[in-house]
Amino acid sequence: AQTVTQSQPEMSVQEAETVTLSCTYDTSENNYYLFWYKQPPSRQMILVIRQEAYKQQNATENRFSVNFQKAAKSFSLKISDSQLGDTAMYFCAFMKPGTGNQFYFGTGTSLTVIP
Amino acid sequence: EPEVTQTPSHQVTQMGQEVILRCVPISNHLYFYWYRQILGQKVEFLVSFYNNEISEKSEIFDDQFSVERPDGSNFTLKIRSTKLEDSAMYFCASRAGGEPQETQYFGPGTRLLVL
Repeated sequence: AQTVTQSQPEMSVQEAETVTLSCTYDTSENNYYLFWYKQPPSRQMILVIRQEAYKQQNATENRFSVNFQKAAKSFSLKISDSQLGDTAMYFCAFMKPGTGNQFYFGTGTSLTVIP
Repeated sequence: EPEVTQTPSHQVTQMGQEVILRCVPISNHLYFYWYRQILGQKVEFLVSFYNNEISEKSEIFDDQFSVERPDGSNFTLKIRSTKLEDSAMYFCASRAGGEPQETQYFGPGTRLLVL
């Protein structure tokens, strides 16, 4: 079974600073996908960034980037130039292609951006 | 931008009662999911649905649960006889199809409280 661990239940960062959220996972699969989702207060989860395991290059989306270390089974999210709108719960998710393509989620990290 | 919608946003029910949670996926999407999150725990996969049948289900999804796509727009989760431990936030998700790594779009959730 796949497990995803987010060891930081809560984090805070000053506006305009950089913060890194950690995520580790456990799998015996070689082909899989990793995702970071953001859930603002009282809103639905939205995709922040995704990474295909077969790609060595780390994914980047504007101020969001990942550090994907396949051998270490680590998938951290870096948020640069943090903005107040980044305040949210962040979920790391693992997906193995297959019949259902379901996600396995971590417990989430609650990020607060301090003005 | 199209969104997944869920109704109701909150539901309170008595133990042993049936509940139906409703979801309207994004209109051209083909794959549908239900997840749940018990307070303070991980978001857990329940079931995936494609082409009018269940493609995969978790151990949680026992005989008390069923899903249905009664028309071209709604996707429902029914719990026949609710238990206290069914109290959770239930998320519906959909994706377009084709590529397994495609984004799953999540609804805002239904908070179910079983008394």
